[in-house]
Amino acid sequence: EAGVAQSPRYKIIEKRQSVAFWCNPISGHATLYWYQQILGQGPKLLIQFQNNGVVDDSQLPKDRFSAERLKGVDSTLKIQPAKLEDSAVYLCASSPNRGNTQYFGPGTRLTVL
Amino acid sequence: SQQGEEDPQALSIQEGENATMNCSYKTSINNLQWYRQNSGRGLVHLILIRSNEREKHSGRLRVTLDTSKKSSSLLITASRAADTASYFCATPTNTGNQFYFGTGTSLTVIP
Repeated sequence: EAGVAQSPRYKIIEKRQSVAFWCNPISGHATLYWYQQILGQGPKLLIQFQNNGVVDDSQLPKDRFSAERLKGVDSTLKIQPAKLEDSAVYLCASSPNRGNTQYFGPGTRLTVL
Repeated sequence: SQQGEEDPQALSIQEGENATMNCSYKTSINNLQWYRQNSGRGLVHLILIRSNEREKHSGRLRVTLDTSKKSSSLLITASRAADTASYFCATPTNTGNQFYFGTGTSLTVIP
């Protein structure tokens, strides 16, 4: 069974630029999560999808972050414009259903200069 | 913050010794999960314990849960150098709408 795929693995941008991350979850998993993990901290949930609907985005900075999961499969997370404090690893995870075991991708390490 | 907290923040032991790390959380839960993260990698699920369970074993892992104290512990027996990683507890809310990770315990196993 293929795992969760993410791309790119690394991205370096300057502040005020835009960036997008892509995630392909495990086939058949209804729930998809995007996390932000700042160095030395635990992951913070940004947004959770159930199929193609948003379950929770209460911690997503909506003035600059957006995410979508078209057709309930792949998902993209966008930051526009980026700030220095957005430097972090962005993790995507999927789960058969809400509250269950999550399977994580390798993450995208974003550096904002 | 509604996150859990792991204790200790860092732990260094000799290979073959046991490692114990603790997690405290704030919300009511249906289950509590432990994950491992090797440096620069994604998280890997280790074990899930349901709120009506008090103890669970998986290989060299032993997890306990005390819902009255809102705490859990993870014991790794006979540690190996390959166990060197950060360990996080995670708690989904009852609705499953939110998922909180703790601050993590960094474990170093010295060969």
